[in-house]
Amino acid sequence: DAGVTQSPTHLIKTRGQQVTLRCSPKSGHDTVSWYQQALGQGPQFIFQYYEEEERQRGNFPDRFSGHQFPNYSSELNVNALLLGDSALYLCASSSLDRDTNEQYFGPGTRLTVT
Amino acid sequence: KNEVEQSPQNLTAQEGEFITINCSYSVGISALHWLQQHPGGGIVSLFMLSSGKKKHGRLIATINIQEKHSSLHITASHPRDSAVYICAGPTYSGAGSYQLTFGKGTKLSVIP
Repeated sequence: DAGVTQSPTHLIKTRGQQVTLRCSPKSGHDTVSWYQQALGQGPQFIFQYYEEEERQRGNFPDRFSGHQFPNYSSELNVNALLLGDSALYLCASSSLDRDTNEQYFGPGTRLTVT
Repeated sequence: KNEVEQSPQNLTAQEGEFITINCSYSVGISALHWLQQHPGGGIVSLFMLSSGKKKHGRLIATINIQEKHSSLHITASHPRDSAVYICAGPTYSGAGSYQLTFGKGTKLSVIP
């Protein structure tokens, strides 16, 4: 089992551009959550996907959107990039079974907006 | 508002010292995750606990539900323990899904 994988590992974009980040969950997991971690801060919840639908959303603007595919993998899209979007983007997978709700994290994608 | 607060923010220790990192959380959080993050790296889950104590090697995590407080202890600390340690609590929505609310992390540096 490869665990949670994310791609790419690093990315540099220019203000105003659009970016797509990808996440493959751990085998057997059906839920994917995305987090943004600014330098020196704890991660902030962006949104969570289950059954190809957004189930919960944190306090992020509509420029942040996502998608989940039938194989449970997920994408995070950010439009009209701002300098403040520079951060480590973490994906975590879990099973919606509440008795085993431990989240497994991927290595993250470091996005730099110039 | 669901909150998770950690202390200390930064911690420097000599190799071999016993280390304690504390985490306090608000109502609405029924369990806690302890996570480890190395510089530039992703996050590794160390423990998830909702009561009592868990031990894995030199790491021990405890939680007091009544006081809404958890601690992470590292015995016989080693320079390879240097990392950011983060506590996080799940909060559940009515739809059965949940999100993690994170503390800001404790940066631990263990000096040889």
